[in-house]
Parts: sequence; C-alpha cells; structure tokens
Amino acid sequence: KAGVTQTPRYLIKTRGQQVTLSCSPISGHRSVSWYQQTPGQGLQFLFEYFSETQRNKGNFPGRFSGRQFSNSRSEMNVSTLELGDSALYLCASSFTVNTEAFFGQGTRLTVV
Amino acid sequence: GEDVEQSLFLSVREGDSSVINCTYTDSSSTYLYWYKQEPGAGLQLLTYIFSNMDMKQDQRLTVLLNKKDKHLSLRIADTQTGDSAIYFCAESRPNAGNMLTFGGGTRLMVKP
Repeated sequence: KAGVTQTPRYLIKTRGQQVTLSCSPISGHRSVSWYQQTPGQGLQFLFEYFSETQRNKGNFPGRFSGRQFSNSRSEMNVSTLELGDSALYLCASSFTVNTEAFFGQGTRLTVV
Repeated sequence: GEDVEQSLFLSVREGDSSVINCTYTDSSSTYLYWYKQEPGAGLQLLTYIFSNMDMKQDQRLTVLLNKKDKHLSLRIADTQTGDSAIYFCAESRPNAGNMLTFGGGTRLMVKP
C-alpha cells in the first residue's frame, strides 16, 4: 500500500512569488492535514481537509490556503512568499476523524 | 508556553533503555501519539495510546500514561544506534478533527 506522497520534495522560491505544494494521501483516506515545521516554532498545524471541506484552520495568515479534490488529493498554496516561510511542510493522511495520522516525507521550501 | 512539553535532549548507550518524557496540559486529550523523525525525513508514527488506557506495549516500545499528572512517557528497550532521531509526542483533542498539537521534540542520541 503506497504511503503519503508529497511533491515536490525540494523547492526554492524568491520573495514575493507564490508556491503550490501537493499531497496524495494513502488510498482510501479522506482526511488530509498540513503542518509547517521550522527550527524556531516547531511543528505547527496549518489546516485540515475532510471530504473536500476545510474542517480546522491554524493560526496562519490568509496567504496560506489549501484545497482538497474529490479524489482526496490536497494542495496548499502560499502567496507573496516571505523569508520566514522557509520551512519543511508536512502533509498527514488519516482514514477519518480521530484516527492515526500518517505523514509524508515533506516538501522543503526555501525562500531567498 | 507550549501545550505539550518535552525535554530537548537524551543520550544513552547502545543496549540500555531510553525513556522519553512528555507533559501535556489539556485533560480532554483523546489520543496521545509518539512520532520519530530522522534527518531529512517526515514523521514516522511509532505508537499511540487512547486516553482511557494507562499502558501500551508494542515490541521494544512501552507507552505509559499518567492522566492525573498529564504525563506521557515512551520507553525504548535495548536501544540501538538506529533509534537515534528526534521523538515527538502529540495530542489530539475532542472536536478538533485530526489536528495534532506537538511537543518540541526530544533528540535521542545513542552511543555505541
């Protein structure tokens, strides 16, 4: 059974640009959550999608957005990139609510 | 301060037992999780415990939960050099979907 797939693995962008990250959950899983990991702030929750609906949102500015498609794949978008957005972005897949979360390898975003 | 706290660093000798501790503040936590992160990788789910349990054993891993003191621990028996990594505890809460609140992580170093 394939795990959680995140693409791309690495990304370098310039300040002011926008970026889209992709996450394909484990087959059959309907919930996708996104986290930002930085050395200073640790792991912080961005948002969760379940059956194409955003269920929860963390404390991030509106520049961070996401969506989920009917096949449960999810994308997150960051607009007007800032240096502080440099981080490892992790996606987690869960079968349904309050079930184990399995993480992908992450996308390492560097903003220069 | 953080809702979930962990000590930063633990060093053990190969073959010894490791005990990684975690404290949390939300008494309504439903599940408590342990994840392992190796350099450059995502999070690997090691084990989890439901809040109405006080112990769970899974091969070399033993999780102890003291709900009164809001204290969670992960014991790794016969620690190997391959266990060197950062370990995160995380809690889920009712009505928060699959959102996890993570501790800052404990770096485990295993010396040969």
